[in-house]
Amino acid sequence: AQSVTQPDIHITVSEGASLELRCNYSYGATPYLFWYVQSPGQGLQLLLKYFSGDTLVQGIKGFEAEFKRSQSSFNLRKPSVHWSDAAEYFCAVGAWLTGGGNKLTFGTGTQLKVEL
Amino acid sequence: SAVISQKPSRDICQRGTSLTIQCQVDSQVTMMFWYRQQPGQSLTLIATANQGSEATYESGFVIDKFPISRPNLTFSTLTVSNMSPEDSSIYLCSATGPYNEKLFFGSGTQLSVL
Repeated sequence: AQSVTQPDIHITVSEGASLELRCNYSYGATPYLFWYVQSPGQGLQLLLKYFSGDTLVQGIKGFEAEFKRSQSSFNLRKPSVHWSDAAEYFCAVGAWLTGGGNKLTFGTGTQLKVEL
Repeated sequence: SAVISQKPSRDICQRGTSLTIQCQVDSQVTMMFWYRQQPGQSLTLIATANQGSEATYESGFVIDKFPISRPNLTFSTLTVSNMSPEDSSIYLCSATGPYNEKLFFGSGTQLSVL
């Protein structure tokens, strides 16, 4: 069974500083990997995904993530954080279903706080 | 991308009652999923709903407690039955098409059980 570990429960960064959120996964085959963001009172928004190909993937809002198979990691990065990035971030690994579609297993999330 | 409408957006219910949450997608999708997000927790998959077949439940979730309907390719319901305060959570509907690897989410139903 697949699993996801997000080792950092809370992270605080200053506005303008760089950000890296860690994600490690466990999956028997080639993983489908996702990062979602959840703002207070909001639903989940997909930031980016990795299925195959280039291991550095670009997402929305200036985020990127790098897939490293040897480390079973899919860390999320942003070179310069904005106050509006404060939110909860979830990493997820997907299992492709026979009937189509991805069944996701989520990590426990990382709460990002941005100091002005 | 798919737009998913979920209702109600929030509700406060009495212990022992049931609540049915509706999820409507603006396009035909193959799989629909129901997740639960308990306060301060991550998302846990309750069940996968494929049109025309019984829902598939994850470990720890049973049909008697969380009956699911999937009458067509754009709609699903989740019922939380015989509620207790431990059922207070956000319930999220999500969907994906047969060749669409992205999973889209509704805005969730905030359920409080007194």
